[in-house]
Amino acid sequence: DAGVIQSPRHEVTEMGQEVTLRCKPISGHDYLFWYRQTMMRGLELLIYFNNNVPIDDSGMPEDRFSAKMPNASFSTLKIQPSEPRDSAVYFCASSLWSSGNQETQYFGPGTRLLVL
Amino acid sequence: QQQVKQSPQSLIVQKGGISIINCAYENTAFDYFPWYQQFPGKGPALLIAIRPDVSEKKEGRFTISFNKSAKQFSLHIMDSQPGDSATYFCAASSGAGSYQLTFGKGTKLSVIP
Repeated sequence: DAGVIQSPRHEVTEMGQEVTLRCKPISGHDYLFWYRQTMMRGLELLIYFNNNVPIDDSGMPEDRFSAKMPNASFSTLKIQPSEPRDSAVYFCASSLWSSGNQETQYFGPGTRLLVL
Repeated sequence: QQQVKQSPQSLIVQKGGISIINCAYENTAFDYFPWYQQFPGKGPALLIAIRPDVSEKKEGRFTISFNKSAKQFSLHIMDSQPGDSATYFCAASSGAGSYQLTFGKGTKLSVIP
């Protein structure tokens, strides 16, 4: 398997522009997570999905952030409008629930976002 | 209540030495404690994990020690190698089927020859 795939790997945009980050989870995984990583705040969970349904979006910082998972193999995280403080590395991760036990989360390589 | 506190923020160890990273938590409902390793430009990857029914887990040169009463757990890297230089994150979650990992702030480990 190719692992979790994220695109783009790098994104530079200007304040006010819409940004869309994409994620393809590992095939067969039923959980998908979006994280944001910054030096100040570390790794923060933004939202996660189970079987394409959003379960907890309490980590989404503002209404400017939205995430969708239209099918089991694709998810997007959208920021509209973007602001300089959104600059961070955004990670997507996926996992497979099994026998009621937590399973490993497999992280993608991340998207490094810079908002000017 | 959801916080996981990790220390030190950075660590420099000589090759062959022991690296020790500590984490403390407050939420007594946490029952799964993984450590993730992250190399520059890469996503975190699971290194080793422990549940509170054991006090220690060893995988190769990596050992997790867990102290339930103190609500602390630590990662020991024996015979540290330059290739171990990375950022290490502890994390915790609670409840079977609950996948909300709360991460520590990370420790940047540098192993010098």
